[in-house]
Amino acid sequence: DAMVIQNPRYQVTQFGKPVTLSCSQTLNHNVMYWYQQKSSQAPKLLFHYYDKDFNNEADTPDNFQSRRPNTSFCFLDIRSPGLGDAAMYLCATSREAGGSQETQYFGPGTRLLVL
Amino acid sequence: DQQVKQNSPSLSVQEGRISILNCDYTNSMFDYFLWYKKYPAEGPTFLISISSIKDKNEDGRFTVFLNKSAKHLSLHIVPSQPGDSAVYFCAARRIRNTPLVFGKGTRLSVIA
Repeated sequence: DAMVIQNPRYQVTQFGKPVTLSCSQTLNHNVMYWYQQKSSQAPKLLFHYYDKDFNNEADTPDNFQSRRPNTSFCFLDIRSPGLGDAAMYLCATSREAGGSQETQYFGPGTRLLVL
Repeated sequence: DQQVKQNSPSLSVQEGRISILNCDYTNSMFDYFLWYKKYPAEGPTFLISISSIKDKNEDGRFTVFLNKSAKHLSLHIVPSQPGDSAVYFCAARRIRNTPLVFGKGTRLSVIA
């Protein structure tokens, strides 16, 4: 089945220790997104790739970086995690420029814990 | 500045009754609205959407209503089933291929 896969599902890291979260998709979608979601909050978009074009949200901290080596994979790098970065990180994809009925397909998320 | 607001964090409904989840938005440039459903330990899944040129869209037990003048949309689930218990997110988009803006979600509990 075509899907969005996130690994690992749970990640524990130490304060200040770099961590990488990964996302892969079999949908062959051109757009991939990374969201941060804290408890009882709306998912907050960090950045997205439209094909190879990187689009950073204005309020995304410099501590967060992303790589997309090919269509199928996208990585979220947190260079120096702080306690406030503990959250659920959601990856999503959507098709290339389609009609008005564009939807995003989400992975199950990676829950990050910072000790 | 919350552009998409779901003012009810939770809602409890009896099985078989109607569930009505509400969403308000502030940005008049939004032209497309979606509802996502999220179970624990899973990512959100797309449920139903509506374009700003319509005021109603129906898919089985799920109907979304859009009132542009009031900047309000609602999701109706009839009849509600225990499997509908989840967190429901309202989302909106400004123009094609721009990122979605999400509300905080409403947790629906359908009681048998």
